[in-house]
Amino acid sequence: DVQVVESGGGIVQPGGSLRLSCAVSGFTLNKYWIHWVRQAPGEGLEWISRINNDGTTTYADSVKGRFTISRDDAKNTIYLQMNSLRDDDTAMYYCTRGATAGTWPVLDPWGLGTLVTVSS
Amino acid sequence: DVQMTQSPSSLSAFVGDRVTITCRAGQRIATYLNWYQQKPGTPPKLLIFGSSNVQTGVPSRFSGSGSGTDFTLTISSLQAEDFGTYYCQQSYNSPYTFGQGTKLEIK
Repeated sequence: DVQVVESGGGIVQPGGSLRLSCAVSGFTLNKYWIHWVRQAPGEGLEWISRINNDGTTTYADSVKGRFTISRDDAKNTIYLQMNSLRDDDTAMYYCTRGATAGTWPVLDPWGLGTLVTVSS
Repeated sequence: DVQMTQSPSSLSAFVGDRVTITCRAGQRIATYLNWYQQKPGTPPKLLIFGSSNVQTGVPSRFSGSGSGTDFTLTISSLQAEDFGTYYCQQSYNSPYTFGQGTKLEIK
């Protein structure tokens, strides 16, 4: 079964840091892009970061300069290092695989998410 | 970034109704449009890819259409289990932007 499982969420004070992990199984990590998408409470989906299979990274403007995505193919794990956290970073953070269905890029599957709460 | 706009933001319908949700892209995206369903407390699930292709395992009452800037998700005969929030997402350009979501309730 293809799976992605997030971990590392928790409660952190404004200005603090947190590192999320995304452990994958059932597929070869170095052949796929991996994305992070977040969802603030009661809100919609916001794409925030991507790492390609060649290590190229992309970020949404809202997290650029504060978040860093990385991968360890040997451990089948993707990381999201989050620094200088703000109240509006409070959200469920989802890891999802960038796959191809037919010729179209899709996000599938998704993990269950890990909740990050930024609060003093 | 490509802006995606869905309408309506919410809707309520009866079991058996035909339901249509629309999504408009801020620029032409060919058929690089996906639809996801999200139920409360669960992650999004891929329903439709490439505008009109139904993901394996998704009931045939779900269909999608459109190209360029205007897209539609249709549920031909609404079932009770179809409640949730539906999101369109473009995969034409990075970043992969989402619509704001359409919350579907069953009357």
